[in-house]
Amino acid sequence: DIQMTQSPSSLSASVGDRVTITCRASQYISNSLNWYQQKPGKAPNLLIYAASSLQSGVPSRFSGGGSGTDFSLTISSLQPEDFATYYCQQSYGAPWTFGQGTKVEIK
Amino acid sequence: QITLKESGPKLVKPTQTLTLTCTFSGFSLRTSGVGVDWIRQPPGKALEWLALIYWDDNKYYKPSLKNRLTITKDTSKNQVFLIMTNMDPVDTATYYCAHRRPGLGSTSFDYWGQGTLVSVSS
Repeated sequence: DIQMTQSPSSLSASVGDRVTITCRASQYISNSLNWYQQKPGKAPNLLIYAASSLQSGVPSRFSGGGSGTDFSLTISSLQPEDFATYYCQQSYGAPWTFGQGTKVEIK
Repeated sequence: QITLKESGPKLVKPTQTLTLTCTFSGFSLRTSGVGVDWIRQPPGKALEWLALIYWDDNKYYKPSLKNRLTITKDTSKNQVFLIMTNMDPVDTATYYCAHRRPGLGSTSFDYWGQGTLVSVSS
């Protein structure tokens, strides 16, 4: 299985901050990397697919980058509604695997 | 508009078999490239992919659970089923079904059900 490792596991930030979360795959996955946001008690919501493509309806303050094994999700200016847990997921091949999550909390 | 909704028992006993139903609308499993996945999340923990069924009945399973899982579909009723045998308390989780974005190569889960919490306890 391809292991996905996110860092940090949690972070505290203020509204307006620029936040970056990283995700590393245990092997080459090209650009086959997706990012999801999950709020408590809710299903995950797709933010970014294919490493850098913004899902329809997602604010442009979210952006993704990287390829190969190292990826990032950046929120350019953190908004109150962005406090949530973020997961990366590789779609390179079965079994499809997720990172352990990064919880973004209010400072 | 694509929607999915999971249904099934909220409580099962250890060793019992769990059957979950995903009822969806807004797409068809007769359409080439379409797939539906099951993903679960134990309380306070990360997401774990379980199984996938494609429009052509190709199926994929998480290897460590393959001998306990069966995924099937009823195309006429727009339903996908997940059967998990020999349930254990560690299987306590919220179970989600998700629509897999059609396409070649890399795909993603672009629509999710609301999830259903299944507890395993005697």
